[in-house]
Order: sequence, then C-alpha cells, then structure tokens
Amino acid sequence: ETGVTQSPTHLIKTRGQQVTLRCSSQSGHNTVSWYQQALGQGPQFIFQYYREEENGRGNFPPRFSGLQFPNYSSELNVNALELDDSALYLCASSPARGQGADTEAFFGQGTRLTVV
Amino acid sequence: AQKITQTQPGMFVQEKEAVTLDCTYDTSDPSYGLFWYKQPSSGEMIFLIYQGSYDQQNATEGRYSLNFQKARKSANLVISASQLGDSAMYFCAMRERRDDKIIFGKGTRLHILP
Repeated sequence: ETGVTQSPTHLIKTRGQQVTLRCSSQSGHNTVSWYQQALGQGPQFIFQYYREEENGRGNFPPRFSGLQFPNYSSELNVNALELDDSALYLCASSPARGQGADTEAFFGQGTRLTVV
Repeated sequence: AQKITQTQPGMFVQEKEAVTLDCTYDTSDPSYGLFWYKQPSSGEMIFLIYQGSYDQQNATEGRYSLNFQKARKSANLVISASQLGDSAMYFCAMRERRDDKIIFGKGTRLHILP
C-alpha cells in the first residue's frame, strides 16, 4: 500500500450540486496533485498543491478548486456539478522538488464520482 | 508539448510468457522522468517502475524492467514470467523536470490467459 488514502471511495451526486473529495498524503510527502480519469481514458492533471498553495493547474474550469492543510492533506472541491464530471478522481502525493520528486508519485485508490 | 503514446489498446498473453508494453514519448525538456503504473479494476494507480532521462542503465523492479531507448524516445515496459494477477490496465507516464504534472498515455489493457 502507498499510504495515500482518499475518501469517500464512491459518491453519487445530482447535477448542480457541490462535492468535496479528500486525500491524505503519504508520510514525508508535502506535495499533492489531483487527477480526473474519465472512463476508458488516462488520468488528466487538475492541479497540484505545495505548502498550502496551488502550484500548477491543468485545463479545468475554476469550479474545480482545492485546499491543502498544514498536515499536507488536501481537498478537491467541485461546484455546479455537470454530468461530464462523472469520473474517477485520483490523488497523488510526492516529495517536494529537490527531495526525490522526480522518482516518487504514489496514488490513492481514487474516488469514483457519479453525477446524475 | 508533452505527449505519451501507447499504441496497443489491448493485449492477450499466455501465462508465464514475457510481455512488452510499448510506450513512446515526446518532450523538448532534456530532464524528465518516465513512469509505468498498473491500474486493476479497483481503480488504484499502482506505481511499478521509474526511469530518469539521465539514468545510464535501464530500470528494473522485480519482474518489471523498462527498456529505455532515449534516442528513439521509447520506454517500453517488460514483464517477465507473466501471472494471472498481471491482468490490468497499464499506463505509461512522463513528468518533465520543469513542470509539475504527470502526463499519461491512454493505456494498454493486458489480459493474461491461463
């Protein structure tokens, strides 16, 4: 096991609602990234958090937002849910750059979000 | 622009045989890292192996090895002595030194036959 835990594992929401997904990073890792994986596709980068600040963002609208806490855990918030937001959401933790960031990126088991 | 290409959508391999999963990549950054992940039906992305662009030798981790051909921008995963539990989706991925995100290919679904 990687030590990266995500909650909840499954979630069903109605279009227009808001959702919060949670991630606890592996011990010693202070960088957390979030990815969206649609069915049959590879994961797509949403954003990354380092030292409680967003540190890189992919091509996702502002209704996708996040937080990182002092203990390095993180939340992904999605507002105004759309049907196309149905996907597996993966969290990855890694050490900061210069501390092995190039070689380690461990993922959690994911949260499967269904929007109806 | 970063790009990862996996040309094999699916593969069927007999148990105990070796299997090679193809991956080519494109980057202008001289410093980058290449990853392979296994994703079973449960969804978890399991890290298998890593190769740095400046590594002189091919990476190996148990039954997994990465056939790194830098000039061809190729990073194929080799699984020796395949097992039924190897049946899963496999993703090749890359992260440039100057960037934060990991770029994934579309994946190869591997089926190991008894």
